[in-house]
Amino acid sequence: SQQGEEDPQALSIQEGENATMNCSYKTSINNLQWYRQNSGRGLVHLILIRSNEREKHSGRLRVTLDTSKKSSSLLITASRAADTASYFCATVHSGTYKYIFGTGTRLKVLA
Amino acid sequence: ETGVTQSPTHLIKTRGQQVTLRCSSQSGHNTVSWYQQALGQGPQFIFQYYREEENGRGNFPPRFSGLQFPNYSSELNVNALELDDSALYLCASTSLAGGPNEQFFGPGTRLTVL
Repeated sequence: SQQGEEDPQALSIQEGENATMNCSYKTSINNLQWYRQNSGRGLVHLILIRSNEREKHSGRLRVTLDTSKKSSSLLITASRAADTASYFCATVHSGTYKYIFGTGTRLKVLA
Repeated sequence: ETGVTQSPTHLIKTRGQQVTLRCSSQSGHNTVSWYQQALGQGPQFIFQYYREEENGRGNFPPRFSGLQFPNYSSELNVNALELDDSALYLCASTSLAGGPNEQFFGPGTRLTVL
């Protein structure tokens, strides 16, 4: 079973707009990671946020983590057509090394 | 490019057959995880190997088995293939130094079971 659920399942925006996607999870975590996947290929790691962090930035990416609500959000600013992909959150359960992925958000950025 | 390679790229098998998929980890990584990704779904954790020992397993039956070798390359074996085993199989390597870190994924093996 999947630990995380991404919301929305699909998102379509214009180039230059911001894209926000959310992830909810069920149990205590060690860290939460976001990955991108293009067209059924391998996943690419984007950013990792630890359970004691609340916000992290990397280039045009901003991730927040609210452990009290068991949720995270990924914001992509000034989106580009090349950002079109599926985005997944992955959580690592506290005390384990199991990486559990959510169901993904399919982002389409229109030029 | 992550430095993680998988072979073969595509594979077609028939129900009941056995299959072996291979993965070479990124240099310096001692941990490999295998995932099954059905179309339109997120990757499902199959199992993880750390220093040649199974280090965690998801909800997959025993006919899914694995090996990790001294050079940290890995194999995923699936016996008695079923139609539902058709999926993209991904391996990911990482280092567990300091705790669970980012994973580096290979491009995947697309398995079709007829």
